[in-house]
Formats: sequence, structure tokens, C-alpha cells
Amino acid sequence: GNSVTQMEGPVTLSEEAFLTINCTYTATGYPSLFWYVQYPGEGLQLLLKATKADDKGSNKGFEATYRKETTSFHLEKGSVQVSDSAVYFCALSEGGSGGSNYKLTFGKGTLLTVNP
Amino acid sequence: DAGVTQSPTHLIKTRGQHVTLRCSPISGHKSVSWYQQVLGQGPQFIFQYYEKEERGRGNFPDRFSARQFPNYSSELNVNALLLGDSALYLCASSLYPSTNEKLFFGSGTQLSVL
Repeated sequence: GNSVTQMEGPVTLSEEAFLTINCTYTATGYPSLFWYVQYPGEGLQLLLKATKADDKGSNKGFEATYRKETTSFHLEKGSVQVSDSAVYFCALSEGGSGGSNYKLTFGKGTLLTVNP
Repeated sequence: DAGVTQSPTHLIKTRGQHVTLRCSPISGHKSVSWYQQVLGQGPQFIFQYYEKEERGRGNFPDRFSARQFPNYSSELNVNALLLGDSALYLCASSLYPSTNEKLFFGSGTQLSVL
């Protein structure tokens, strides 16, 4: 079945450092790919997404490019802030559009801590 | 506008008991999904409902059931609780059950089974 593997955490960085969180996937079809963020005590929030190969999703300074040839969707940010401290989840979607069904398969999550 | 609301926020049960978790989707959203997030793991899909019909079911035992009401709110029921059912249960809503639709998650119900 489909699966998502993301780098083990925790990741600890200093403010303004460069961030990369690796994510690779296994899928039988052509899934959409997502990064979700979970701040302490809150639910998941969509950070960015890409729906087809070579698409780049971006939001709040974060970027990720859908690489079909390497089945990857690595998350990057050029300069992290303390407020970026959270758990980051890579995910892929399964199911058809048009009202059939739709579920997300998540990776295990990567805890990011940014120190001042 | 209110986001996805879940109740209760925390719950403590003992093994063998039954539990009901509730979810109110964002106004106008017709699709509700449930996910289980065990500590240290990513969320796992349990159910999806759309227009009161089950549209998808994850790999969970029959002790787990759910339903969606005419106002699109939803309940997740778990019977004969096991210690391993301890987790954060997340509800998510969207307009339609489509990969093109953004999912909005609630803050979850933290269930502890003793």
C-alpha cells in the first residue's frame, strides 16, 4: 500500500538557520503531496501542497517540490524562526476526486525546535 | 467563523468501556473524516463520511463506528476500549471528499484508557 517516510527527529536549529526535512513516498498512482504543521496543543494545519510532478508548493517561506523521479517532497526554509517550532508531517492523498473518497496517509512527523 | 470543533477535549475511560466523540464541521462543509494519532506517530485514517454516507474506512476493527447527522456533525464511537485505543482523535472537515479540497482539522479529543 501507499506509505510516507520522513526523517527522524527531533531537529534542533538556531534562529535563521536553513531547514530541510526529508520526505519520500511510495504510491501506486499519482497522489497529491502535502506538508502539515501541528503547533503545541493545536490541530493540524495545511502548510503547503503540490498536486502533480514538478509542482512547487510554498507558504510562509516554506517550500517543497514534487519530485516523481525520486518520489520525494522535501520541506525547506531558508531562515527559520522561533515561531516555526512545531511538528511537521508529510502526507499523501489517496482516492478519487469528484466525491468518491479521500484519505491522507501521514508520515510519523518531525519535531522541529528553533532556539533564539 | 468557527473552525472544526470537537468535544470533549479530554476523556479518561477504563478498559471495556464505550466512548462517543463528537465533531462539528465548519459551516457549509459536508464531508467529515476521523483520524487516530497515537503519541509519536502520524495520524491514521479511520473513517470518512459525506452526505451522511460512509465513503471510506481505514484498517480499524469493528469496535470503531461512526455516523454523520443531517446537520453534517459526526460522532465516532468506540466499544470495548483497549489500552491501545489511547490516542488523540482528530476530526477534519471539507466541502467535498476530494483531493482538491482543503482539509480543516479540529484540535482533537485526547482519550486515555486506563
